[in-house]
Amino acid sequence: DVKVTQSSRYLVKRTGEKVFLECVQDMDHENMFWYRQDPGLGLRLIYFSYDVKMKEKGDIPEGYSVSREKKERFSLILESASTNQTSMYLCAMGGRPHNEQFFGPGTRLTVL
Amino acid sequence: SQKIEQNSEALNIQEGKTATLTCNYTNYSPAYLQWYRQDPGRGPVFLLLIRENEKEKRKERLKVTFDTTLKQSLFHITASQPADSATYLCALAGGSSNTGKLIFGQGTTLQVKP
Repeated sequence: DVKVTQSSRYLVKRTGEKVFLECVQDMDHENMFWYRQDPGLGLRLIYFSYDVKMKEKGDIPEGYSVSREKKERFSLILESASTNQTSMYLCAMGGRPHNEQFFGPGTRLTVL
Repeated sequence: SQKIEQNSEALNIQEGKTATLTCNYTNYSPAYLQWYRQDPGRGPVFLLLIRENEKEKRKERLKVTFDTTLKQSLFHITASQPADSATYLCALAGGSSNTGKLIFGQGTTLQVKP
């Protein structure tokens, strides 16, 4: 079974803090994605990576950065957290050959 | 710009009936279309996909159709059960620039009443 894990299920941070969200996959696949999901707005792509050290901006990259130093690990970084970044964050891995995505359990981040 | 719409935010049906969810898209020529299930507070789970050259796909009680002329997919759950209650997302994949990214619809929340 494909497994995508995320470092935390729930996280509470203060405005201005640097936040790291980590995602690990066990299938040695190239494509990994970070989304945020908000009521009424659906899934929005923040960043994706198609290989180690390769990344591409998604639809809403502002305020975020990513790191992919190893194939199995894709990190999302909030350089200076703000209250409007309170959301559910979902990591996904892209499968083969049809790009079906396998999601982690999600991290519900609250920024106070 | 590319747009994907699911027909309604919520759908309520009685147990045993067939649930039909709709996904429409514009300005896109996907190679295939995927359907996901999402339970509250959890990540989406891939259910099945249908290719552009397939008209219909089945998996147990699930049936998906894909009409590239109408730019529409229908997702059916037959003999629905309360355990089928969840949000269902459609997603477009492939097309002229196959980057591995998906375009997701906003989802339809299905409630199956006993």
